[in-house]
Amino acid sequence: GAVVSQHPSRVICKSGTSVKIECRSLDFQATTMFWYRQFPKQSLMLMATSNEGSKATYEQGVEKDKFLINHASLTLSTLTVTSAHPEDSSFYICSAIPTGFHTEAFFGQGTRLTVV
Amino acid sequence: DAKTTQPTSMDCAEGRAANLPCNHSTISGNEYVYWYRQIHSQGPQYIIHGLKNNETNEMASLIITEDRKSSTLILPHATLRDTAVYYCIVRAKAAGNKLTFGGGTRVLVKP
Repeated sequence: GAVVSQHPSRVICKSGTSVKIECRSLDFQATTMFWYRQFPKQSLMLMATSNEGSKATYEQGVEKDKFLINHASLTLSTLTVTSAHPEDSSFYICSAIPTGFHTEAFFGQGTRLTVV
Repeated sequence: DAKTTQPTSMDCAEGRAANLPCNHSTISGNEYVYWYRQIHSQGPQYIIHGLKNNETNEMASLIITEDRKSSTLILPHATLRDTAVYYCIVRAKAAGNKLTFGGGTRVLVKP
């Protein structure tokens, strides 16, 4: 199956700093990528839809100025958590849908963010 | 996207078939049924999807009722590595359409 790679897999940062998470589709192009957040023992919550070459679409309640999304190419989307606080600590997961025939989404391995 | 209802948890014996039900009574004609699973601390893994016909692949079988209001994912011979949360999602098959996750079913395969 198609491979989606996230980097880093784990990150610890100090409160007030910014953290960038990368999501790459390794063997396919993706016009659309999605960013999710998952708190312990909860389901995945969609944060935003990232579209190559245009602005991301954020879900209700997600602050676009805090969670900056850039989808500059067909294989890379980045999520930057700005001015991180302990409550931003979570498991962040991206997914990508290949353009063309395939329409199932493939997921990255996730990034565990801990803000101290 | 139509909502789905799944049991919160279920246990099954290693080597036996695991049958995971999902209700999606408000599914629309253009919506597919997708199944994903998430092993602890990993990203979700695609399993299978279907529209109205039963589907089978190397991982599982998907049985969709004739009225499409419910479906069952079958893991034919469950192994300990199949322990995961299984999500049933309905979604129209267009590339830009997002996947909305519900609570899923926590499956524990026991020796």
